[in-house]
Amino acid sequence: ILNVEQSPQSLHVQEGDSTNFTCSFPSSNFYALHWYRWETAKSPEALFVMTLNGDEKKKGRISATLNTKEGYSYLYIKGSQPEDSATYLCAVNFNKFYFGSGTKLNVKP
Amino acid sequence: DTAVSQTPKYLVTQMGNDKSIKCEQNLGHDTMYWYKQDSKKFLKIMFSYNNKELIINETVPNRFSPKSPDKAHLNLHINSLELGDSAVYFCASSQDHPGVSYNEQFFGPGTRLTVL
Repeated sequence: ILNVEQSPQSLHVQEGDSTNFTCSFPSSNFYALHWYRWETAKSPEALFVMTLNGDEKKKGRISATLNTKEGYSYLYIKGSQPEDSATYLCAVNFNKFYFGSGTKLNVKP
Repeated sequence: DTAVSQTPKYLVTQMGNDKSIKCEQNLGHDTMYWYKQDSKKFLKIMFSYNNKELIINETVPNRFSPKSPDKAHLNLHINSLELGDSAVYFCASSQDHPGVSYNEQFFGPGTRLTVL
């Protein structure tokens, strides 16, 4: 069993704050890392797919980086808005998908 | 149009019953998956089919049996339901099998199963 760990488990920030969270994984046999945004009562929606060491992806105020040698990825949200409140899920593809337990973000107006 | 759909959304049943959950995707994908969200909120892979062939079969009780009549459908049948089967089950699909690195998964809305 391969462990994908996310931290923190939950995060409360004020509107306008910038924030980041981490996904850690074993670096061997790595295929790709996926970030998902998961709102309550909905299904996970893909944010980014990253494969190469040093990859950086950006979508609006959200960006992510990948370090496959040391086995971690960061997700950044700049100027958080209440609509960013969701669980952010990391999944690593080792020829099979392993999910972290997510970071639950709550952005207060 | 819903890309990955599951039915039913909620399922409440008695212990010992047999039930099925259906999943359909209209994305033209070759691979479909069943995940169970456990009590700690982790999504754990149960099964995966690629072009109607079983490619991932995790250690789940053999009371769980997937069936893929065609590559757009992957159903999950559960025999002799137990209390511990209560969970949310998610279906997903992707264009290729997991060994393709850029493979992106699309998830269904989940089925909340409650066994009484």
